[in-house]
Amino acid sequence: EAGVAQSPRYKIIEKRQSVAFWCNPISGHATLYWYQQILGQGPKLLIQFQNNGVVDDSQLPKDRFSAERLKGVDSTLKIQPAKLEDSAVYLCASSATQGTEQYFGPGTRLTVT
Amino acid sequence: AQSVTQPDIHITVSEGASLELRCNYSYGATPYLFWYVQSPGQGLQLLLKYFSGDTLVQGIKGFEAEFKRSQSSFNLRKPSVHWSDAAEYFCAVGKPGGGADGLTFGKGTHLIIQP
Repeated sequence: EAGVAQSPRYKIIEKRQSVAFWCNPISGHATLYWYQQILGQGPKLLIQFQNNGVVDDSQLPKDRFSAERLKGVDSTLKIQPAKLEDSAVYLCASSATQGTEQYFGPGTRLTVT
Repeated sequence: AQSVTQPDIHITVSEGASLELRCNYSYGATPYLFWYVQSPGQGLQLLLKYFSGDTLVQGIKGFEAEFKRSQSSFNLRKPSVHWSDAAEYFCAVGKPGGGADGLTFGKGTHLIIQP
């Protein structure tokens, strides 16, 4: 079974630029999560989708971050404009349905200069 | 709101020695608790989980954890560590009523294995 795929693996941008990350969950998984992991900290949930609907985006900085999962399969997370403090690893995870075990992708490491 | 504390930022253990990583949580009800491991450049891998029942939980790679409600703890243990166990370990708690959803993670413990 293929795992959660993410791209790109690494991205370096200048502040005020925009960036997008892509995630393809495990086939058949209805629930998709985006986490932000700042160096030296544990992951923080940004947004949770159930199929193509948002379940929880309470910790998503909506003034600059957006995410979509239009067809209920893959998802994109966008930052516009980026700030220095957005430098982090962005992890995508999926689960078969809400409340069940989450499987994590390898992450995208973002560096904002 | 729920929270997780991992008191040890770094732990160094000799290969073959026993290991215990500490985790304390703050939660208003019976928690769903997890331990994840993260190797460099890798995503998080679930080691074990506690939902209910037996308070001693067995996981993969020879790890176990014990849920102690009176101490609000969920410590991870392994009787004999291997060099391949060197990694970052995260304790996490699910949100109330959410099972494995909405995980709140601790800051992690970096495990160093010395020969």
